Amino acid sequence: KAGVTQTPRYLIKTRGQQVTLSCSPISGHRSVSWYQQTPGQGLQFLFEYFSETQRNKGNFPGRFSGRQFSNSRSEMNVSTLELGDSALYLCASSATENYEQYFGPGTRLTVT
Amino acid sequence: GEDVEQSLFLSVREGDSSVINCTYTDSSSTYLYWYKQEPGAGLQLLTYIFSNMDMKQDQRLTVLLNKKDKHLSLRIADTQTGDSAIYFCAEIVSNTGKLIFGQGTTLQVKP
Repeated sequence: KAGVTQTPRYLIKTRGQQVTLSCSPISGHRSVSWYQQTPGQGLQFLFEYFSETQRNKGNFPGRFSGRQFSNSRSEMNVSTLELGDSALYLCASSATENYEQYFGPGTRLTVT
Repeated sequence: GEDVEQSLFLSVREGDSSVINCTYTDSSSTYLYWYKQEPGAGLQLLTYIFSNMDMKQDQRLTVLLNKKDKHLSLRIADTQTGDSAIYFCAEIVSNTGKLIFGQGTTLQVKP
């Protein structure tokens, strides 16, 4: 099976812009979770989607949003980018039970 | 609250065993995990243990769980230079897909 794929792998944006990141889960996996990784805060949970519905959400401002499509692919959007949004954004997919989460390679976002 | 703590750095000689330790706070966690991250890469799921188990062995990896003390460890036997990476311990919040990660332990393997 192909692993979790994320596009793009690298992105440079300026403050105030918005960005959309994409994640394709492992075939057959219906749950997709998103995490932000920064040197200062470590790995933090953003949100989780299952069957096109957001099931859980972390403590991030409303500028961070996401969605999931009927084929389980997921996108996350960050509006009005701030310098502090520079991070590695990781997506993970799992089967229904959630207990095995497999991560993609991440999208490295740099905000200047 | 939910919190996972790890030591930040471990240095070992090639061929030695490595032991990475972790403590967690959520006693209702059903699964606990070890992930590996190499430079510039995502997280690789190494192994996980169900909370009603004390030990799990998978080739060179041994996971020990002390539920009373909320302590988890990962032992890597015959550590190789290719094992150099950051290792993250994580717990899953009950009834959610949310993983809580420790800060990561950087493992340095010297030849």
